[in-house]
Amino acid sequence: AQSVTQLDSHVSVSEGTPVLLRCNYSSSYSPSLFWYVQHPNKGLQLLLKYTSAATLVKGINGFEAEFKKSETSFHLTKPSAHMSDAAEYFCVVSDISGSARQLTFGSGTQLTVLP
Amino acid sequence: NAGVTQTPKFRILKIGQSMTLQCTQDMNHNYMYWYRQDPGMGLKLIYYSVGAGITDKGEVPNGYNVSRSTTEDFPLRLELAAPSQTSVYFCASSSGSGTGEYFGPGTRLTVL
Repeated sequence: AQSVTQLDSHVSVSEGTPVLLRCNYSSSYSPSLFWYVQHPNKGLQLLLKYTSAATLVKGINGFEAEFKKSETSFHLTKPSAHMSDAAEYFCVVSDISGSARQLTFGSGTQLTVLP
Repeated sequence: NAGVTQTPKFRILKIGQSMTLQCTQDMNHNYMYWYRQDPGMGLKLIYYSVGAGITDKGEVPNGYNVSRSTTEDFPLRLELAAPSQTSVYFCASSSGSGTGEYFGPGTRLTVL
């Protein structure tokens, strides 16, 4: 069975400072991993995805994530936060083995960006 | 491309009523999904489909039904609405396993 743990339910940073949103996963197989962002009253937007190619994945809006198999982590980073980054972020693991493919979502991290 | 569209955006139901949430995608994706998102929680998979005529249960299928007669459409049916089904429902599609889903804007459903 697969699972995702987002280690912080809320993260608060000042504008212009780095962002780190932490995610640990558990999967029986080689996972695909994703980060999604959800702005208030909006749908989910895919930020980036890891599918067993390069371990450092670049996404939209300056976000990056590094897949570390030894640590079972897939933390999301951004060098400099912008006010528009304030949103909820979801780490997602996908089991790509077998016929019953499913996504498992983390519980989300609310990012607040202070002026 | 419109992407994934959902209707309605908002709906209030009385206990015991039924309704269908519509979902359409114009990207010719084989995979389609229905999720629900409860306040302060991540998304939970209700049903998914890997192609027209093929559907399967997700994590929380009780109280729901789906059908997939075409590649484009994947409606979700609530037969006897219950307060526990108050949630935001998201439809999503993808071109294949592990490629990342495209989500619709969601339907906010309240059952009173």
